[in-house]
Amino acid sequence: DGGITQSPKYLFRKEGQNVTLSCEQNLNHDAMYWYRQDPGQGLRLIYYSQIVNDFQKGDIAEGYSVSREKKESFPLTVTSAQKNPTAFYLCASRNYRSSYNEQFFGPGTRLTVL
Amino acid sequence: DQQVKQNSPSLSVQEGRISILNCDYTNSMFDYFLWYKKYPAEGPTFLISISSIKDKNEDGRFTVFLNKSAKHLSLHIVPSQPGDSAVYFCAAVDSGNTGKLIFGQGTTLQVKP
Repeated sequence: DGGITQSPKYLFRKEGQNVTLSCEQNLNHDAMYWYRQDPGQGLRLIYYSQIVNDFQKGDIAEGYSVSREKKESFPLTVTSAQKNPTAFYLCASRNYRSSYNEQFFGPGTRLTVL
Repeated sequence: DQQVKQNSPSLSVQEGRISILNCDYTNSMFDYFLWYKKYPAEGPTFLISISSIKDKNEDGRFTVFLNKSAKHLSLHIVPSQPGDSAVYFCAAVDSGNTGKLIFGQGTTLQVKP
């Protein structure tokens, strides 16, 4: 089945540690996105990539880094520079060449900093 | 500055009645809008969308209305069912060719049996 997978579902991190969240899609979508959700807030864009080997900062990129070495993979690293990393992280993808604008989301990763 | 706003954090309706979820936006350049439904600890799922060339789009029990002059859109669910209980997000596609979505804060809908 085509879709987006994120792993792990739950992640615990000690302060000062970097951690990498996985996002894989087999939809053959060109564009991929990382969002963060906090309680009572909408989804906020961290980074996005429209093509392999290229990515752009979103609205809240500080303390995060990404790579896009393969079309199907877009991992997100939460670094120790991120001041408040505890949140629900969502990865999405979109067929960039399609006239449809909807993004398809993965199931999310809940990151908790201890 | 919040470009997409959902001013009602929560809404409670009786099963079988209509649910109306509202969304306002500030940027007149937005020309495509989407509604997503989200259950706790899951990713959002796409519900329905509307282009600015239309003022209404319908898909089964879900209808989205767009009022461009008021910069307002609404999602109507008729009839509401208990399984519709979730958080609903309104989103606008950012102007420019990035496909970025700008989300509202979400409205939690509770449909009571």
